[in-house]
Amino acid sequence: QITLKESGPTLVKPTQTLTLTCTFSGFSLSTTGVGVGWIRQPPGKALEWLAFIYWDDDKRYSPSLKSRITISKDTSKNQVILTMTNMDPVDTATYYCAHGRITRMIIEAFDIWGQGTMVTVSS
Amino acid sequence: DIQMTQSPSSVSASVGDRVTITCRASQDIRSWLAWYQQKPGEAPKLLIYTASSLQSGVPSRFSGSGSGTDFTLTINSLQPEDFATYYCQQANTFPFTFGPGTKVDIK
Repeated sequence: QITLKESGPTLVKPTQTLTLTCTFSGFSLSTTGVGVGWIRQPPGKALEWLAFIYWDDDKRYSPSLKSRITISKDTSKNQVILTMTNMDPVDTATYYCAHGRITRMIIEAFDIWGQGTMVTVSS
Repeated sequence: DIQMTQSPSSVSASVGDRVTITCRASQDIRSWLAWYQQKPGEAPKLLIYTASSLQSGVPSRFSGSGSGTDFTLTINSLQPEDFATYYCQQANTFPFTFGPGTKVDIK
């Protein structure tokens, strides 16, 4: 059974750097054909894809946030980490990590999601 | 980026109704489309992938169709647990993009 859980601060100040950790079980990010993504959702708004990391450490980022975000993995700890610099109140959102459903090396969807973690950016 | 639109933005329906939600992509995404259901305070749940494939464990009253730029999610015989917001997402090209959502509420 695949599970994912996000953790990190609930409150950050403007200009600070946010670090979120996704701890997962039921799969390994060292296995070929596996990947994890980050998606966020501001209160009352739609979902926004942020980043994705593959088993081979290939990474993809949202162009609008590419200069501010970094995704990485710690295979030994079964974790994926997202850092976002220069946080702003508009970055207030629930942040989700999700397992990528990958078939023949193609991401088809996000099939298992974490519960999400709400991050508020305020001074 | 590929822009995703959904219509309607909201729909009021009764238990037992058939509900159809449309999603349109700004360019050809072949069949790389997913549908998610989200209830208040919960994470999204995958319903449909590759436009028409039913995710394991999802009731068969949910179905998806379409290819290219126009897609449809149909809920046959709406159940009380189906009142939620539904999002489409294109997986054809990075950056992945989601539609704005369609809220299905009780009539």
